[in-house]
Amino acid sequence: EAGVVQSPRYKIIEKKQPVAFWCNPISGHNTLYWYRQNLGQGPELLIRYENEEAVDDSQLPKDRFSAERLKGVDSTLKIQPAELGDSAVYLCASRQKPGLAGGPQFFGPGTRLTVL
Amino acid sequence: AQSVSQHNHHVILSEAASLELGCNYSYGGTVNLFWYVQYPGQHLQLLLKYFSGDPLVKGIKGFEAEFIKSKFSFNLRKPSVQWSDTAEYFCAVNDQTGANNLFFGTGTRLTVIP
Repeated sequence: EAGVVQSPRYKIIEKKQPVAFWCNPISGHNTLYWYRQNLGQGPELLIRYENEEAVDDSQLPKDRFSAERLKGVDSTLKIQPAELGDSAVYLCASRQKPGLAGGPQFFGPGTRLTVL
Repeated sequence: AQSVSQHNHHVILSEAASLELGCNYSYGGTVNLFWYVQYPGQHLQLLLKYFSGDPLVKGIKGFEAEFIKSKFSFNLRKPSVQWSDTAEYFCAVNDQTGANNLFFGTGTRLTVIP
């Protein structure tokens, strides 16, 4: 079974440029998460999708961040414009469904973003 | 809001030494607890989890963790570490209501010297 796929693995951009990250969750997983992991920290949730609906985006900086999951499968996270402080690893995770029976979250390899 | 504390930022051990990594959480309700591991250059992987029942949980690769509710702790242990255990270890918690979102600690880097 394929795991969570993310691309690109690395991205270097100059500040004020836009950037997008793509995630394809494990097949059949309805719940999808985007996390940001700063250097020396644990992952922090940005947004959670149940199918195509963003059910928790309270931690997403909406002035510059946006996300979509149009068909309830793969998802894109965008930053426009990027700032120096956005340098981090952006992780995507998925699980079968919400709630206790939903199983653990499975993580992708992440996209390491460097903003110069 | 929930929080998770991992007090050991970097632990260095020799092979065959015993390991215990601390994890404390703050949440008064019922929780699920997890340890994830990230080997160098790899993605986060689930090591073990506690949902209910026996508070001593056994995971992969000889790891175990004990949930002590009175201490709000979920420490990770391994009796004899190997060089291949060199990795970053993250404790995480989620509540059993509503969103079931995960809250992670800051991680502990383990270096095992051959």
